[in-house]
Amino acid sequence: SQQGEEDPQALSIQEGENATMNCSYKTSINNLQWYRQNSGRGLVHLILIRSNEREKHSGRLRVTLDTSKKSSSLLITASRAADTASYFCATVPAGAGSYQLTFGKGTKLSVIP
Amino acid sequence: ETGVTQTPRHLVMGMTNKKSLKCEQHLGHNAMYWYKQSAKKPLELMFVYSLEERVENNSVPSRFSPECPNSSHLFLHLHTLQPEDSALYLCASSQVTLPVGELFFGEGSRLTVL
Repeated sequence: SQQGEEDPQALSIQEGENATMNCSYKTSINNLQWYRQNSGRGLVHLILIRSNEREKHSGRLRVTLDTSKKSSSLLITASRAADTASYFCATVPAGAGSYQLTFGKGTKLSVIP
Repeated sequence: ETGVTQTPRHLVMGMTNKKSLKCEQHLGHNAMYWYKQSAKKPLELMFVYSLEERVENNSVPSRFSPECPNSSHLFLHLHTLQPEDSALYLCASSQVTLPVGELFFGEGSRLTVL
């Protein structure tokens, strides 16, 4: 069953602007991860945030997690044309150990030079 | 270079063919995964191997048969496929720690079934 759902499905911005993507999920999680995928390529891990964390940073990326609302956001600051890609959130369920990492459909980001 | 190599990158096969996808990881991981990515659908987890033992099998049709001969190699054997099986098949690996953390993906094998 689909766990994470990204919003918006597509986003187009000018280079230099900030891009915000949101992810909502349905059940309790252990951690939530964000991945990036260039067209037709494999996924690349960006950030992992655990259920007891509220915010994490990595370079120009900022991820927030609100477990009460079952939602997360990914902010890319000062976007570049090279940031053009699809971005996916993925969730790991809380409780018993599981290899299930469930992905959403993704947000397609276009950064216009 | 992610440390996970998939071959072939592209494959076209007829419905009666038998082919295999190969995945090799050089990261020292002990868990390996097959995911299917179809257009306009979320990534679907197909199989997971941990320490060479299958630990997840998400109701995948028997025309897909995984094999994990050692912790560095993973295969997906394909036979009698349907056109709807056309997709990007992604291999990934991770440390054997639960709950699962970061996955390292290969570039994928683009499969077209005629």
